[in-house]
Amino acid sequence: AQSVTQPDIHITVSEGASLELRCNYSYGATPYLFWYVQSPGQGLQLLLKYFSGDTLVQGIKGFEAEFKRSQSSFNLRKPSVHWSDAAEYFCAVGLTLNSGNTPLVFGKGTRLSVIA
Amino acid sequence: ETGVTQTPRHLVMGMTNKKSLKCEQHLGHNAMYWYKQSAKKPLELMFVYNFKEQTENNSVPSRFSPECPNSSHLFLHLHTLQPEDSALYLCASSPLLGANQPQHFGDGTRLSIL
Repeated sequence: AQSVTQPDIHITVSEGASLELRCNYSYGATPYLFWYVQSPGQGLQLLLKYFSGDTLVQGIKGFEAEFKRSQSSFNLRKPSVHWSDAAEYFCAVGLTLNSGNTPLVFGKGTRLSVIA
Repeated sequence: ETGVTQTPRHLVMGMTNKKSLKCEQHLGHNAMYWYKQSAKKPLELMFVYNFKEQTENNSVPSRFSPECPNSSHLFLHLHTLQPEDSALYLCASSPLLGANQPQHFGDGTRLSIL
């Protein structure tokens, strides 16, 4: 079955430490890949996206993600986490189905806590 | 400011009430979406509209009725809801309907069913 997996439900990091959030997908072809962030009481905000080309993509707020075809992964990274990065992070894939419909499929999310 | 505005932000209603959620986007987009976000569950796509035409209904119960009068406005009409319908309802829009179209989300309506 086609799926998007975020293996970590909750991660806690110290402020200033590096961060990596994992995302794996299982599809026959390379889908379009997205990372979103949701702060408490707010909707989802697009951090970055990958369609093709350079496998390392830069996003807003100092985030980057690397697409690895061999691992079917699209992990999100940040070199130095700030307290304001505490939020829920969602990986999503966009795929074109034979039906023509093109839903975004979201992972279950990873909640990031930042401690002093 | 995301460009997608949802009202109200919070709604408490009884199971026999009728209410509507409103979504408005100022981005010039042509596709609009309703999602349901429940605790400990993945984001669930409910409805998709493309140029005002509904293209997707993900087996949503008939007590949820969407309406898209134009490409800028989307409504979700609610009636005879159940307690399990309590959730955050998110509206999103994208320039076009397509797998490579990033979606822009509103801040959601927190719905509580008594």
